Amino acid sequence: QKEVEQNSGPLSVPEGAIASLNCTYSDRGSQSFFWYRQYSGKSPELIMSIYSNGDKEDGRFTAQLNKASQYVSLLIRDSQPSDSATYLCAVIRSGGSNYKLTFGKGTLLTVNP
Amino acid sequence: SAVISQKPSRDICQRGTSLTIQCQVDSQVTMMFWYRQQPGQSLTLIATANQGSEATYESGFVIDKFPISRPNLTFSTLTVSNMSPEDSSIYLCSVIDRGVGQGSPLHFGNGTRLTVT
Repeated sequence: QKEVEQNSGPLSVPEGAIASLNCTYSDRGSQSFFWYRQYSGKSPELIMSIYSNGDKEDGRFTAQLNKASQYVSLLIRDSQPSDSATYLCAVIRSGGSNYKLTFGKGTLLTVNP
Repeated sequence: SAVISQKPSRDICQRGTSLTIQCQVDSQVTMMFWYRQQPGQSLTLIATANQGSEATYESGFVIDKFPISRPNLTFSTLTVSNMSPEDSSIYLCSVIDRGVGQGSPLHFGNGTRLTVT
């Protein structure tokens, strides 16, 4: 089982719709979860952090965490063409003194005008 | 968050040569990391750059191929040695700009796009 898995995509939604991006992780002890957005040819940009079960909202973005199911999701409401990018789920593994942020392969989202 | 400057932004190199990538941060940071992103792939951690000591490499990466320096808390270099076309990737410097606490996310420089011919 891969450490961090994302739905492979690509995901295509019409402008104004809700885009739903999903991620599962294998280390049950993981404590910190992040979503990054990466435009083509650019470096990843942090858009959401979540640390406890439940929902966390920031503008049009909502991150959801369910540690029992080892599942993280990102909802983008009122999707805009400018949201078209690859979204990377990242997890900090637990244990030891070494910090390691592990990334999923990413989901390519296209928002159609 | 910290401003991370990475250079060169891109380069085209011949196989067998070496390239040194520089990463400069505008403030002192506790931890710096080097990632690689191969075409169409996600990010893979190469190593943690430790200030004043040898870098900590991930499985599959070795010091002879990817020597790293970190002379102070704001600067690091990654060298890609004896390059082959398989080394063509984007190389990314990243930092934690707050405390090392387990909840701190990474922030990335703009990356170096390397093409080896």
